[in-house]
Amino acid sequence: DGGITQSPKYLFRKEGQNVTLSCEQNLNHDAMYWYRQDPGQGLRLIYYSQIVNDFQKGDIAEGYSVSREKKESFPLTVTSAQKNPTAFYLCASSSSDGYREAFFGQGTRLTVV
Amino acid sequence: SQQGEEDPQALSIQEGENATMNCSYKTSINNLQWYRQNSGRGLVHLILIRSNEREKHSGRLRVTLDTSKKSSSLLITASRAADTASYFCATVLISSGSARQLTFGSGTQLTVLP
Repeated sequence: DGGITQSPKYLFRKEGQNVTLSCEQNLNHDAMYWYRQDPGQGLRLIYYSQIVNDFQKGDIAEGYSVSREKKESFPLTVTSAQKNPTAFYLCASSSSDGYREAFFGQGTRLTVV
Repeated sequence: SQQGEEDPQALSIQEGENATMNCSYKTSINNLQWYRQNSGRGLVHLILIRSNEREKHSGRLRVTLDTSKKSSSLLITASRAADTASYFCATVLISSGSARQLTFGSGTQLTVLP
């Protein structure tokens, strides 16, 4: 089955810790995206990548970092510099031309304890 | 930056009624997309309309696009309780070089009462 997988589904982090959220796709998509969603809110873009070894900051990149070493993988690290990391994180992938729909993972809910 | 804004923020209707949601955007687009999100889940693509199209249908969904007004609407006909979800519009911004941002509006929360 082709798709996009995020793990873990739930993640708990102590204050001051870095955590990494996984996102893997086998859709052969060049473009991948990370979004943050707060309760009752829309999606805000954290980082996006159009091609391997290249990525751009979105609207709320501070306190986050990413890598794109493989086409299939786009992990997101939430660093201790992110002061309010509790949120629902969504990963998506699409063709890089922007002319087709995006596919989403099921999300990771991160809670700071 | 938020490219799309949905209106209304929340909509509550009876089963069998039609639901209309609107989306406004700011810049020129190649296409506009609508997505659905059930509570606590990922988004699912519903329909894509290209900038040279004015209307598109898919089952009980009807999308219109008015590029002169930079707006789109999503109509769900004969709504069902299972249509209860959040609905988002999305557009692609072309950033520096050829990088393309997929940006979403704030969403409309639709509740269909049985």
